Amino acid sequence: RKEVEQDPGPFNVPEGATVAFNCTYSNSASQSFFWYRQDCRKEPKLLMSVYSSGNEDGRFTAQLNRASQYISLLIRDSKLSDSATYLCVVTGRVGYSTLTFGKGTMLLVSP
Amino acid sequence: NAGVTQTPKFQVLKTGQSMTLQCAQDMNHNSMYWYRQDPGMGLRLIYYSASEGTTDKGEVPNGYNVSRLNKREFSLRLESAAPSQTSVYFCASSYTGSYNEQFFGPGTRLTVL
Repeated sequence: RKEVEQDPGPFNVPEGATVAFNCTYSNSASQSFFWYRQDCRKEPKLLMSVYSSGNEDGRFTAQLNRASQYISLLIRDSKLSDSATYLCVVTGRVGYSTLTFGKGTMLLVSP
Repeated sequence: NAGVTQTPKFQVLKTGQSMTLQCAQDMNHNSMYWYRQDPGMGLRLIYYSASEGTTDKGEVPNGYNVSRLNKREFSLRLESAAPSQTSVYFCASSYTGSYNEQFFGPGTRLTVL
């Protein structure tokens, strides 16, 4: 299994739709989990951390299933500005403060 | 407060040339990182510095060297550039610990001919 695996998409959705992304990871020792967002030709930026109990930030909800080594991101009421690539990120195998990034899932929101 | 800055933004090299990518952060972070991002490959860690005075290899260190000049600055050197090093290079910084957010610079787009 790849370290962090995501469906590359693109996911094409209309404005106002709900869309969900999934991610699986192979390192059972991973302790930290995140979703980063990357706009075209820009740097990645943290969208939200993912906690074991699940967490919500406005229209965004993240869930973690440690037993299945699975992370999800749900976006409700999609906006045009949500169009971006969403990177699933987990604690890296190398070093204490490193991260392993998935290849990303592209989301395109249309009017 | 500029965050993480990188220079240059763009660079074209010929095979065999050398260059240094510069990175600086003004957030008083202990840890700094260099990544490369290639189409279809995602971000891959080249080298990192968990704290001032230390550097360690990441997933893809071959062909690169780094220097943690001080707490603010972390440079990446290509001694003899190869076409396989054509990529977008991102520098990032964070407080120590994988649970901390990494802040990224705007990237350097490098082409090796």
